[in-house]
This record gives sequence, structure tokens and C-alpha cells, in this order.
Amino acid sequence: EVQLVQSGAEVKKPGESLRISCKASGNSFSSYWIGWVRQMSGKGLEWIGIIWPGGSETKYSPSFEGQVTISADKSINTAYLQWRRLKASDTGIYYCARLDCSSASCHNDYGMDVWGQGTTVTVSS
Amino acid sequence: DIQMTQSPSSLSASVGDRVTITCRASQSIGYYLNWYQQKPGKAPKLLIYAAASLQSGVPSRFSGSGSGTDFTLTISGLQPEDFVTYYCQQSYSIPRTFGQGTKVEIK
Repeated sequence: EVQLVQSGAEVKKPGESLRISCKASGNSFSSYWIGWVRQMSGKGLEWIGIIWPGGSETKYSPSFEGQVTISADKSINTAYLQWRRLKASDTGIYYCARLDCSSASCHNDYGMDVWGQGTTVTVSS
Repeated sequence: DIQMTQSPSSLSASVGDRVTITCRASQSIGYYLNWYQQKPGKAPKLLIYAAASLQSGVPSRFSGSGSGTDFTLTISGLQPEDFVTYYCQQSYSIPRTFGQGTKVEIK
């Protein structure tokens, strides 16, 4: 059974860079799209974007495009979420999850069926 | 973006009750609607996908229905562990979007 294990909590200052990771167990990493979701303290879920590790194709929410970069290294079954210049408003919990897509292009999907445990990112001066 | 509106935002119920949460999409999404449960301090868990399909391992007291723009999640016979927060999500188009959540509280 696939498991997603995320990197540990981070405390950063505004303007710093950061990359958090999501490592998948098992052999099928390149066959599934991986997504990232943000949850700010006491708030709901926000969809950031997705990546297909097999070809590194990405799709972003307009709300996050240009603010973060999603990447993957299929040789080590790991997806990443990266910021070049953090802001205090980036503070939150970030989850990675596997998508059960209806096609290779993931135009539609049947939900995010495997989740990482979440990475808490705190940005404060 | 497709807007997802859940109602109610919160509800109070008792163990054993039957509760229904609704989710409305701002445009038709076919049956590409998923429901998640989130317990405090934990990652969301997929309950229902494609509007009405029960995810493996999820108790049968959870059920979903609907298509187009209007969807419902029903919990038949609330258990103590069900008093948490539920989210709908459309998976019809990019960006995927979530409802604002419904917190189910003990009466």
C-alpha cells in the first residue's frame, strides 16, 4: 500500500526560501498525479496544484501560480513544494496527496485517496 | 474557478442521528464530487468519490448522492467518531476547489 511521508515542520523568516518534500513508498510513484493542499490555522482546505512525476507536468491554481513551484524527482519517489521568497501569509499546514485520475492527463479525478501527514510551515520575523 | 458552497457550516446532532450535508457547485460538474472527513490535527480522509461511490474501508453509514450542481452527504446513525469536519471538493476542472467545510458537533 502506498504511503506518503512528508518532511518535518519548518520555521522561517519572511523573504527566505524553502522546499518541503513528500516521499512515496512503493513502485508506482510515476503512475499517479500528486497534489498539494494548504490549510491555514483554523481554516478550510485550499488546492494548490498537482504534478505528474512521470513527466513533471504541472497544473496550478491561479491563486498559487507564481507563488510556489511544484516539482518531483521520480528516481527517489519524491515530490516537492517550493517557495523562493516566503511571506507571513504562507504560514499553514501543507499536505501532499495522491490523486486517482480518470485519465493520464488528469482532466478529472476520483479524489485524493492517500495523504501525507502534513508539514507545518511557520513564517515569522 | 468553480465555487463550492456547503451548508450548513455547522450542525448539532446526537449519537444515532441521521444528518445530511449539502454541497452546491456554481456550475455543473457532472458527478465529479468528492467528500472528505477531517479529524482535528489529522490529514483529510476520502470518504466518497464520484458523488456516490464509497471509498474502500469507509463504513456504510456514509453515503453520497447528486449530480450536476447539487450533492449531499448523509451519515446514517452518527457515531462518536463522526463529530468532526467534512469537506466537499469538485474534481471536474482546474483548479479543484473545496467547500468551506461543515463541522458536526455533539448536541
